[in-house]
Amino acid sequence: DQQVKQNSPSLSVQEGRISILNCDYTNSMFDYFLWYKKYPAEGPTFLISISSIKDKNEDGRFTVFLNKSAKHLSLHIVPSQPGDSAVYFCAAIRGNTPLVFGKGTRLSVIA
Amino acid sequence: IAGITQAPTSQILAAGRRMTLRCTQDMRHNAMYWYRQDLGLGLRLIHYSNTAGTTGKGEVPDGYSVSRANTDDFPLTLASAVPSQTSVYFCASSDLGSDTQYFGPGTRLTVL
Repeated sequence: DQQVKQNSPSLSVQEGRISILNCDYTNSMFDYFLWYKKYPAEGPTFLISISSIKDKNEDGRFTVFLNKSAKHLSLHIVPSQPGDSAVYFCAAIRGNTPLVFGKGTRLSVIA
Repeated sequence: IAGITQAPTSQILAAGRRMTLRCTQDMRHNAMYWYRQDLGLGLRLIHYSNTAGTTGKGEVPDGYSVSRANTDDFPLTLASAVPSQTSVYFCASSDLGSDTQYFGPGTRLTVL
């Protein structure tokens, strides 16, 4: 049973517009949620995280929102740039257990 | 500082052969992980190690083994490769209890 779900395999957004990537989870015990970005032929790189006790975390153009009651989080990228085109993985962690990843969403930012 | 290195970068392997993927980190992280990435399936955890001398099974451990003789190295061995093990393999490390993992560049393995 998948604990972290990214239901949209792909997303296309116009340059300058907002990109919204969504993620749902089933385990209410997760402590932290993270977003990773992956370019082709490279390893994933950490982008932004949020503690389960917060509902928003912002870092420059990237903001993650957490809705614990809905078990849902989203990553907002504003404004979107062509260099943001990548696969984005949502991940969650509980205590010292390994990260659990979603299947990823491929974002294409069109110039 | 190199971070995490993986070797080889890519490999084509005949089915039935034994293969060891190497992973080394220089960040003195306690925990290390092996993932495989397959199209449509995301990153799936194969094995992990919370500290030198200990290992644990992830989501897809069958057909793979690991060892953690020291802090820096975490090799992944396929004892008898099968075509379904064709994938891109990523090694990662983190401080135990940290929410952030750092990934290596990956090894692309093709089993024919």
